[in-house]
Amino acid sequence: DAKTTQPTSMDCAEGRAANLPCNHSTISGNEYVYWYRQIHSQGPQYIIHGLKNNETNEMASLIITEDRKSSTLILPHATLRDTAVYYCIVRAGTASKLTFGTGTRLQVTL
Amino acid sequence: GAVVSQHPSWVICKSGTSVKIECRSLDFQATTMFWYRQFPKQSLMLMATSNEGSKATYEQGVEKDKFLINHASLTLSTLTVTSAHPEDSSFYICSARDRGQFSNQPQHFGDGTRLSIL
Repeated sequence: DAKTTQPTSMDCAEGRAANLPCNHSTISGNEYVYWYRQIHSQGPQYIIHGLKNNETNEMASLIITEDRKSSTLILPHATLRDTAVYYCIVRAGTASKLTFGTGTRLQVTL
Repeated sequence: GAVVSQHPSWVICKSGTSVKIECRSLDFQATTMFWYRQFPKQSLMLMATSNEGSKATYEQGVEKDKFLINHASLTLSTLTVTSAHPEDSSFYICSARDRGQFSNQPQHFGDGTRLSIL
C-alpha cells in the first residue's frame, strides 16, 4: 500500500472548517483513500473514502486532487467533539489490510 | 449498521494468566476480522488477520503461540493472550468488514480492550 504523509498536529476554532491534508504521491490506480479518526481511548471511526471523485457524507467531505497524489478531508463546522487523531490510509480495493500511519492530531478549541 | 462489539472493554489481571478478548460483528457477517495493538501515544499496529474457519495470518514479529486467534463463526473472533506479562499491557482493537459488501468498503472497528497486566 502507498505511504501517506500527514501533518503531526493542527488546531481549528470551533465552528470553522477543519481542512486536513494528506499526501500520497505514490498511490496506485487501484488504491482508495480512506479516512478514519480515533477519539482518545476508543477504536477508530470510519469517516469517508474515495477513489478519484470528491465524496461527501454526513460527517465530512473528501477532496482528491486530479493527479490523486494528495487529498483533503474537510469537516465543515468543527466542534469540540471532533478533537481526535485523524488517519489517512491508502489501500487497494481488493486488499484486506489497513496500515495506520501516525495521523494528524486535530485540536478543536473554543 | 456495521457495529463491531468488543468484550471486555477493560481487564486487569496478574502476570502469568491468560486473557480472552471477544470481537463480534453485531449486524453483519465477517469472513475476515483483524486484530490490532496500540501502545500509548503510538499508532495502531496490525497483529493478525483472522479468517473464519481457517488459521489466522500473523504479522511479522507477532508470536502466534502467544496470541491465539480463533474465528469459529462469521460473527465472532477471539484473541487469547496466553501467559500474559506486563509488556503485553496494551490497547487491543479488532475490526471487521461486511462480507456482503464490495471489497473496497471500509472496515469497522470495535471500541477496544484495555489490558493491564500487573
